[in-house]
Amino acid sequence: QKEVEQDPGPLSVPEGAIVSLNCTYSNSAFQYFMWYRQYSRKGPELLMYTYSSGNKEDGRFTAQVDKSSKYISLFIRDSQPSDSATYLCAMSGGGSYIPTFGRGTSLIVHP
Amino acid sequence: DAGVTQSPTHLIKTRGQQVTLRCSPISGHKSVSWYQQVLGQGPQFIFQYYEKEERGRGNFPDRFSARQFPNYSSELNVNALLLGDSALYLCASSQIQGNADTQYFGPGTRLTVL
Repeated sequence: QKEVEQDPGPLSVPEGAIVSLNCTYSNSAFQYFMWYRQYSRKGPELLMYTYSSGNKEDGRFTAQVDKSSKYISLFIRDSQPSDSATYLCAMSGGGSYIPTFGRGTSLIVHP
Repeated sequence: DAGVTQSPTHLIKTRGQQVTLRCSPISGHKSVSWYQQVLGQGPQFIFQYYEKEERGRGNFPDRFSARQFPNYSSELNVNALLLGDSALYLCASSQIQGNADTQYFGPGTRLTVL
């Protein structure tokens, strides 16, 4: 079992939909949780960062962390075609700041 | 301000050859990390350097080596290339060692081994 599990998709939604992206993990020492967006043939771009459990909102993006269930989510409201990309979750903790990445979920928002 | 820059953008090599990839961090950033991203997978950590010293190493063979220069730029070297080394190699910089939330990635170098 990998430390971080993420469904690769693709997830296809119509423009304006609410998108839910998720990751599960097995290492209870993880405390820092990140979401990156990666466009084709580009480097990952940090979208959201949260520490420990709870919610964090930034514009159309909301990140949720449930440490008791070892489950994190990224919600995108009013999705746009420009949101079409691969979304990577990453997490670190337990004395190491090196992030462990999920394999990414491919999101397609069609007009 | 310029972001993280990497060179070259693309590279084609044959098995057994050696390759050097280069990274310039964001101005003021002292830590550089290297990652390998195989198609369809998330980035895998290779090395982290801070103040010219190796501070972390991932589960990669000794064919992989790196160094950081006084100006905080970095090189990743891979010897005796294998077909499986074909991947996108990403460099990320941060101001100080350890702040995962402030790690900024470059566009990557796409290496193809034939």
